[in-house]
Amino acid sequence: KQEVTQIPAALSVPEGENLVLNCSFTDSAIYNLQWFRQDPGKGLTSLLLIQSSQREQTSGRLNASLDKSSGRSTLYIAASQPGDSATYLCAGTLGGSNYKLTFGKGTLLTVNP
Amino acid sequence: ETGVTQSPTHLIKTRGQQVTLRCSSQSGHNTVSWYQQALGQGPQFIFQYYREEENGRGNFPPRFSGLQFPNYSSELNVNALELDDSALYLCASSLPLFGELFFGEGSRLTVL
Repeated sequence: KQEVTQIPAALSVPEGENLVLNCSFTDSAIYNLQWFRQDPGKGLTSLLLIQSSQREQTSGRLNASLDKSSGRSTLYIAASQPGDSATYLCAGTLGGSNYKLTFGKGTLLTVNP
Repeated sequence: ETGVTQSPTHLIKTRGQQVTLRCSSQSGHNTVSWYQQALGQGPQFIFQYYREEENGRGNFPPRFSGLQFPNYSSELNVNALELDDSALYLCASSLPLFGELFFGEGSRLTVL
């Protein structure tokens, strides 16, 4: 069974801190790894997409890396702000699928002022 | 450029009823996927449509069905609703083959 695991389930940090969210997956034959943000009761906002030939992607204060050999991805958030508070989900196309995203359960991030 | 839009945003049904959820894809995207997100869980893949054909399906029973129209919009139909069908239903559009998925705000279904 293809699985995506996110640790920790919840994280609380003071404003201004740099932080790392972790994602692990069971299949090294991953096509894409995508990070999303979800605010309470809302849809998903795409943050970063890493394709299988890439090792990392950056957007503003966000940097995501992909290590297929170890089955891990990390999302680094620099200089966190209260507005970054949300649930962060990672998802990958695993098991030979090129269309189905398998999601983790997410990490609930709270940035305290 | 318009994003993915879904309707209705919220709805309440009773067990045994049927529901239709609608999705308009982002401009230029011809592939639509549907996901179910139960409270506190990550989204689960229901199915994907490409060129008006079902392109892949997750572990959902046949009472979950869909359509895609020539303008790439899509519908998700659920028959014989059960209490466990209560969830946020998310639609995502993309370009085919390894494309980045863009999600709508979802339709919150409550089954009583």
